[in-house]
Amino acid sequence: KAGVTQTPRYLIKTRGQQVTLSCSPISGHRSVSWYQQTPGQGLQFLFEYFSETQRNKGNFPGRFSGRQFSNSRSEMNVSTLELGDSALYLCASSLRPSGGRGEQFFGPGTRLTVL
Amino acid sequence: AQRVTQPEKLLSVFKGAPVELKCNYSYSGSPELFWYVQYSRQRLQLLLRHISRESIKGFTADLNKGETSFHLKKPFAQEEDSAMYYCAIYGGSQGNLIFGKGTKLSVKP
Repeated sequence: KAGVTQTPRYLIKTRGQQVTLSCSPISGHRSVSWYQQTPGQGLQFLFEYFSETQRNKGNFPGRFSGRQFSNSRSEMNVSTLELGDSALYLCASSLRPSGGRGEQFFGPGTRLTVL
Repeated sequence: AQRVTQPEKLLSVFKGAPVELKCNYSYSGSPELFWYVQYSRQRLQLLLRHISRESIKGFTADLNKGETSFHLKKPFAQEEDSAMYYCAIYGGSQGNLIFGKGTKLSVKP
């Protein structure tokens, strides 16, 4: 099976812009979780979608949002970008809801740089 | 609040030496704990889960509820074990994984 794919792999934006990142889960996986990884804060959970519904949400401002399509592909959007949003954004898929109760398969990440 | 602490940012050992990567957690309830690993230029992947009580690549981890720890151990480190290791706990109000900040293991020849 093909692994989790994320596009684009790299992005450079300026403050105030918005950005959309995409994630395609492993075939058959219906749960997609998003994480932000920074050197200071490490890996932090953003939100999870299962069957097109947001199941769980981390402690991030409303500028961070997401959605999931009927084919389980997911997008996350960050509006009004701030310098602190520069990070590696990881997507993870799992077979079961609630992030597969911890058993997740990660994508390579999208590196977002905000100037 | 649920929290995972990995006290060592970097752990350096020689090949053949035992290795122990520490993980302590704070969680109310019955925790489900995991170790994830990221090798150089590879994606983050699950190494092992405490409920499986399995040994993967020679690594084991025992959940100690009294000490709230889930240390990862291997009796004889290999150079290919060099990687970033993350301890994670499942659950809590967020209903997903909470990661520690990771320990970089360097195994020297």
